[in-house]
Amino acid sequence: KAGVTQTPRYLIKTRGQQVTLSCSPISGHRSVSWYQQTPGQGLQFLFEYFSETQRNKGNFPGRFSGRQFSNSRSEMNVSTLELGDSALYLCASRSGGNSYNEQFFGPGTRLTVL
Amino acid sequence: AQSVTQLDSHVSVSEGTPVLLRCNYSSSYSPSLFWYVQHPNKGLQLLLKYTSAATLVKGINGFEAEFKKSETSFHLTKPSAHMSDAAEYFCVVSPGANNLFFGTGTRLTVIP
Repeated sequence: KAGVTQTPRYLIKTRGQQVTLSCSPISGHRSVSWYQQTPGQGLQFLFEYFSETQRNKGNFPGRFSGRQFSNSRSEMNVSTLELGDSALYLCASRSGGNSYNEQFFGPGTRLTVL
Repeated sequence: AQSVTQLDSHVSVSEGTPVLLRCNYSSSYSPSLFWYVQHPNKGLQLLLKYTSAATLVKGINGFEAEFKKSETSFHLTKPSAHMSDAAEYFCVVSPGANNLFFGTGTRLTVIP
């Protein structure tokens, strides 16, 4: 079974632009979560989608948004990019909606904002 | 409120010696607790998880962790370090909702 895939793996943008990151979960997984990883703040939860509905949201500004499609693939969008948005963005999927279910992480998308 | 404290940002051990990575948590609920490992330029991989069953949890690659409610700790151990264990380790608490709270990570260095 293929793992979680994220595209693109690397991205360079300039301040003020917007970016869309994509995540394909493991086949059969209905939950997709997004995390931001930076050296200063560590790993922080962005949001989780389950069956196309945002079920949980972390403490990030409205510039960060996401969605999930009927095939469980998810996209994350960041508008009006700031230098501080430079980070590794990780996507994770799990089969059910229970917190006991293991999350499987993708390799991440490294975003650099210049 | 939920939080995780990893007491050491960096641990260095010699190959073949024991590993101890320390984690304390705070949770308003009975939490699920996890340890994840991240190798350079890779995603996170689950090592083990505690979900209110046995307090001593065995994971992959010889790692184990013991849940101690009285000490609010969930330390990760391994009897004998291997070079391939060099990585970043994250202690994670899931308080019953569907998000995870990550510790700041412990970088493990293994000296040959």
